[in-house]
Amino acid sequence: NAGVTQTPKFQVLKTGQSMTLQCAQDMNHNSMYWYRQDPGMGLRLIYYSASEGTTDKGEVPNGYNVSRLNKREFSLRLESAAPSQTSVYFCASSEAPNARQKAYEQYFGPGTRLTVT
Amino acid sequence: QQQVKQSPQSLIVQKGGISIINCAYENTAFDYFPWYQQFPGKGPALLIAIRPDVSEKKEGRFTISFNKSAKQFSLHIMDSQPGDSATYFCAASIGWTSGTYKYIFGTGTRLKVLA
Repeated sequence: NAGVTQTPKFQVLKTGQSMTLQCAQDMNHNSMYWYRQDPGMGLRLIYYSASEGTTDKGEVPNGYNVSRLNKREFSLRLESAAPSQTSVYFCASSEAPNARQKAYEQYFGPGTRLTVT
Repeated sequence: QQQVKQSPQSLIVQKGGISIINCAYENTAFDYFPWYQQFPGKGPALLIAIRPDVSEKKEGRFTISFNKSAKQFSLHIMDSQPGDSATYFCAASIGWTSGTYKYIFGTGTRLKVLA
């Protein structure tokens, strides 16, 4: 049981290049999320997918697109990278809601450190 | 309305001391308040969480104190150890919206415990 996995771990892009960050979870969770983490800014939600087949914008969606490929996988795409997108990106997942408190817990992957020059 | 304000930004504590991190919020619709712990190079992991119907929750050396009227909550780490050195994030959830639960995170506190 690997939990949430992300690839790649590190990436350097030139301005204007595109790339896709991959995320997969093996916990059979319904919901998945993409965050970015910047110094002094905490974690900010980029996009999320409440369930397979649905995606929604979070707090900072501009410059990004997402695809919920199936229940396990949720990818984040940068179409034309900008230096402002230099950040650490985290994917997370959570169970479907029920009466248990665990339904609120989000499980995070190890992150992708992206540098755009 | 949607912000969660966290302080201090960084904290240095001697081994065995008490570490205290504070968070404040405005939105009274928030109904779940977790704390996440993040070690360098790793993703955040849930440490402890509380709902607003209780004023305190304790798990081992970690305690959340919750003041609903003041709209504040804090994390206390008793007998702080060098292994507690990490970044701590508070968060708040508005409950089930748009088909899932979403968090608003605080800006983080970098804790260093000196041996």
